Amino acid sequence: QSVLTQPPSASMTPGQRVTISCSGSSSNIGRNSVVWYQHLPGTAPKLLMYANNQRPSGVPDRFSGSKSATSASLAISGLQSDDEADYYCAAWDDSLKAVVFGGGTKLTVL
Amino acid sequence: QITLKESGPSLVRPTQTLTLACSFSGFSLTTSGVGVGWIRQPPGKALEWLALLYWNNDQRYSPGLKTRLTIAKDNSRNQVVLTMTNVDPVDTATYYCVHKAAVGAAMFDSWGQGILVTVSS
Repeated sequence: QSVLTQPPSASMTPGQRVTISCSGSSSNIGRNSVVWYQHLPGTAPKLLMYANNQRPSGVPDRFSGSKSATSASLAISGLQSDDEADYYCAAWDDSLKAVVFGGGTKLTVL
Repeated sequence: QITLKESGPSLVRPTQTLTLACSFSGFSLTTSGVGVGWIRQPPGKALEWLALLYWNNDQRYSPGLKTRLTIAKDNSRNQVVLTMTNVDPVDTATYYCVHKAAVGAAMFDSWGQGILVTVSS
């Protein structure tokens, strides 16, 4: 059971926009910034978003992040087949004094 | 350019101690805010954070695994070692070594390729 809650799956057709949610609590998302990782099959996970809505160099602006209270979201617009991957949210939890991850969302591009 | 590479056994027997090493380059573990950590992914399951060693030698562990884990720096080499005692088949996973950026508590901006460790008799 993950501390952060994500939908297990999401799907959308190419070119469309999809949003992945991440729900936490006051001890994690409510107090700390959210990070998102993209995990393509057979590769190491990659940092996709940090500080809620900041994209590392090289990440297309099709990817955007937001946070409100104890929830966060990752949006992908102009969906491409290459975006098919598992997406994870993460944050520091002040109560657990630990990094907590969501259970991951498997994105399928139909 | 930051690189990290995991090394260790691919097969461990139940109840044994697992020792994994992370060899890194491209950064200094003495830089304020920087850390090296471990994250694992059991087959078909989610990522799970295990431990983090900070630049000031502070250590943080997953609460559920704290009693079994030790993370330490090998001062003679650019290496961070993770030991896990009393392993069980549920510890079978790909283990990743990660670089924690100077800012952002959960911001792991570089990852090793991962090492698959199987726990089986």
